[in-house]
Amino acid sequence: GAGVSQTPSNKVTEKGKYVELRCDPISGHTALYWYRQSLGQGPEFLIYFQGTGAADDSGLPNDRFFAVRPEGSVSTLKIQRTERGDSAVYLCASSSPSGGTDTQYFGPGTRLTVL
Amino acid sequence: AQSVTQLGSHVSVSEGALVLLRCNYSSSVPPYLFWYVQYPNQGLQLLLKYTSAATLVKGINGFEAEFKKSETSFHLTKPSAHMSDAAEYFCAVSDRGRRALTFGSGTRLQVQP
Repeated sequence: GAGVSQTPSNKVTEKGKYVELRCDPISGHTALYWYRQSLGQGPEFLIYFQGTGAADDSGLPNDRFFAVRPEGSVSTLKIQRTERGDSAVYLCASSSPSGGTDTQYFGPGTRLTVL
Repeated sequence: AQSVTQLGSHVSVSEGALVLLRCNYSSSVPPYLFWYVQYPNQGLQLLLKYTSAATLVKGINGFEAEFKKSETSFHLTKPSAHMSDAAEYFCAVSDRGRRALTFGSGTRLQVQP
């Protein structure tokens, strides 16, 4: 079946602009995660949705970052007033939680470059 | 806060040699532990995970990892490296009761012919 898809694959923007990054999870997966991976680093957690609600947004770095998942499927990560330090690969993952833990399936990511 | 340390940002082995990638975590309560692999221009793929069943966990592509509570370690091994194993490997943990993964900084594995 289809995996997690993310669009666009690459996004170049100018400092101060607004961007939206989209994630389509695996069909039927109720949990959705956003991570950010800077060059040479491991992914860093941003936010986790269970259904439509953000169950854990402790990783969002500041109020310029916001994410939604209005119908419990597709999610959009929104970044306002982008800064050069926001340049990274933004990863989305989804899972079907069961018991204590679950396997997160990752998409290929969106590479964001802020000039 | 939970942290993960991967010793060695780059590891180089010869084809057919043992692969050993090291991972240590900081929690005093055994968390859930994972190894992911990332091939160039591809998403992260789960190799294996530890969830408090057997301490020796077998994964895909011949990899395995052993959970050692006394050493707070979860090292990844493979008896014989193949050229196709060349990739970046990430160790990750999640605290029980929390879904977010905390990743190490990664180890890039090179396999020499």
